[in-house]
Amino acid sequence: GDSVTQMEGPVTLSEEAFLTINCTYTATGYPSLFWYVQYPGEGLQLLLKATKADDKGSNKGFEATYRKETTSFHLEKGSVQVSDSAVYFCALEATGGFKTIFGAGTRLFVKA
Amino acid sequence: DAGVIQSPRHEVTEMGQEVTLRCKPISGHNSLFWYRQTMMRGLELLIYFNNNVPIDDSGMPEDRFSAKMPNASFSTLKIQPSEPRDSAVYFCASSTGPHGGYGYTFGSGTRLTVV
Repeated sequence: GDSVTQMEGPVTLSEEAFLTINCTYTATGYPSLFWYVQYPGEGLQLLLKATKADDKGSNKGFEATYRKETTSFHLEKGSVQVSDSAVYFCALEATGGFKTIFGAGTRLFVKA
Repeated sequence: DAGVIQSPRHEVTEMGQEVTLRCKPISGHNSLFWYRQTMMRGLELLIYFNNNVPIDDSGMPEDRFSAKMPNASFSTLKIQPSEPRDSAVYFCASSTGPHGGYGYTFGSGTRLTVV
């Protein structure tokens, strides 16, 4: 079945460091791919999305490119801030599917 | 729009009591989802509604759990009787549709503690 695998956390970085959180997926067809962010005590928020191969989603300095050949959707940010500390979820919506499948989440800590 | 509104934000109840969680989705969204989040099991989909009709309730853990959506602007998740292992954060999310890559809008959640 369809699934999402993302790197285990926690990831700890110093402020202004480069961030990569890996995400790979298994799905038939051409799913839509998403990254969500969850700050402490809050619900998940949609961070960015891509709906077809080679699309790049971007928001708030974060980027991810839909790579069909490697079935990946890695999240990147060039310079993280303390305020980026949160849990990040990779997710997919399968072609013709009725629900979104979420990864386990990766916790990010950014130190000042 | 005020977003997806959930109430209460926090609920503490004794084992055996009935608990009702409430959700108001975003106006115009026709899909609604109930999730449960715990440290051990992560994010679990409990039930999904489309146009107020339950489509998939396979994630509802047992008969003690029930969900309704009487109209497009309101849904409830009920646990009766509640047990300590039901303690979790329960999220409601809505979307413009099950397809199309629109993504979900989540509420702030209800933190349930059963003692």
